[in-house]
Amino acid sequence: AQSVTQLGSHVSVSEGALVLLRCNYSSSVPPYLFWYVQYPNQGLQLLLKYTSAATLVKGINGFEAEFKKSETSFHLTKPSAHMSDAAEYFCAVSERAGGSYIPTFGRGTSLIVHP
Amino acid sequence: GAGVSQSPSNKVTEKGKDVELRCDPISGHTALYWYRQSLGQGLEFLIYFQGNSAPDKSGLPSDRFSAERTGGSVSTLTIQRTQQEDSAVYLCASSQGQGANYGYTFGSGTRLTVV
Repeated sequence: AQSVTQLGSHVSVSEGALVLLRCNYSSSVPPYLFWYVQYPNQGLQLLLKYTSAATLVKGINGFEAEFKKSETSFHLTKPSAHMSDAAEYFCAVSERAGGSYIPTFGRGTSLIVHP
Repeated sequence: GAGVSQSPSNKVTEKGKDVELRCDPISGHTALYWYRQSLGQGLEFLIYFQGNSAPDKSGLPSDRFSAERTGGSVSTLTIQRTQQEDSAVYLCASSQGQGANYGYTFGSGTRLTVV
């Protein structure tokens, strides 16, 4: 069984400040991990994914995430927040379950960026 | 098509009516997923298709929900005798194969409101 916990339903930062969105996962087999972003009234857009290559994954828009097996974490970071980063962020995990790789999503974290 | 297309984008229906939601995946994507997104609840998995078959229907919340996929392409999610608790955004995603390496591309969703 797999699950994802995103700590904090809302995260508020000032423009230019570090962004840190937390994600912890549970998986009975080596996981694949994803971060998606959702802007208002839009679908989900893939930011980055971890598929057992490098543990530090770089994504679009300056975001990156580090897979830490010992901590079962995959936190998302960005050195300097922009106003345009304000959105909902979802962490997801998938594993081979009957060959379907169906991803399980966290409840999401709303990133608020203040001027 | 260039992306995953969902229609209608918005649907308001009366309690007890049936609704059909359509998803047109990216051409050549063999895997198709339906999710439901309710406020503050993250993404709830509904059903997964590989080609025209649905190996995993475990997420369908009741027998009022059904889905089909024809020609390995367009999928329709049908909700019979709609209830107010069915109000949500219904998201469709497709992937090139049944593997996390391919990633998942989402449509913009159908916002269903049952009044």
